[in-house]
Amino acid sequence: DVVMTQSPLSLPVTLGQPASISCRSSQSLVYSDGNTYLNWFQQRPGQSPRRLIYKVSNRDSGVPDRFSGSGSGTDFTLKISRVEAEDVGVYYCMQGTHWPPSWTFGQGTKVEIK
Amino acid sequence: QVQLQESGPGLVKPSETLSLTCAVSGYSISSGYYWGWIRQPPGKGLEWIGSIYHSGSTYYNPSLKSRVTISVDTSKNQFSLKLSSVTAADTAVYYCARVQDFDYWGQGTLVTVSS
Repeated sequence: DVVMTQSPLSLPVTLGQPASISCRSSQSLVYSDGNTYLNWFQQRPGQSPRRLIYKVSNRDSGVPDRFSGSGSGTDFTLKISRVEAEDVGVYYCMQGTHWPPSWTFGQGTKVEIK
Repeated sequence: QVQLQESGPGLVKPSETLSLTCAVSGYSISSGYYWGWIRQPPGKGLEWIGSIYHSGSTYYNPSLKSRVTISVDTSKNQFSLKLSSVTAADTAVYYCARVQDFDYWGQGTLVTVSS
């Protein structure tokens, strides 16, 4: 099974400062069609998860451009260029390349304001 | 706009079967995509439970496979989850979602396993 490992698990950030979350997979996430199915989700307190980024670096509609995704193979990064108060929550990476049999989430990274 | 809504009992007794339904609006399940269930124990991360296609093809998380059944009712545009022999460890918020893309999620429903 593919294991997704995020770091750090907790990220205190000052408002207006950048933040970066790492996600590593135990196997390459490059699919046979050439795509890499790595998504990032944001879960604000008390809300359902919301997809922010799909296929490594594509922002979903309505996602502020301060969010960006990058990476390849087994190493991926979500960056917030300037953290705002509404960015507080837990961020998850998720692989969809090795499906079937399953989709796999990272443990989550909790972003909070210092 | 695609919307998903979970429904079902919020309290289930140990050893019994948890049953939830997800009603989909704004998109016909028969048009495609896999649809699935994800759960989140209190204060913990997300766990994919299983998924189903409109044809009835299913995939389950190997760690839950022996206890999970997901079915689809295209006439009602909904799909359902059954998880048998539940224990306190199955207490969680259960989400339904349009999987493959995971672009649409329900609001989630808390299911507590307790006598």
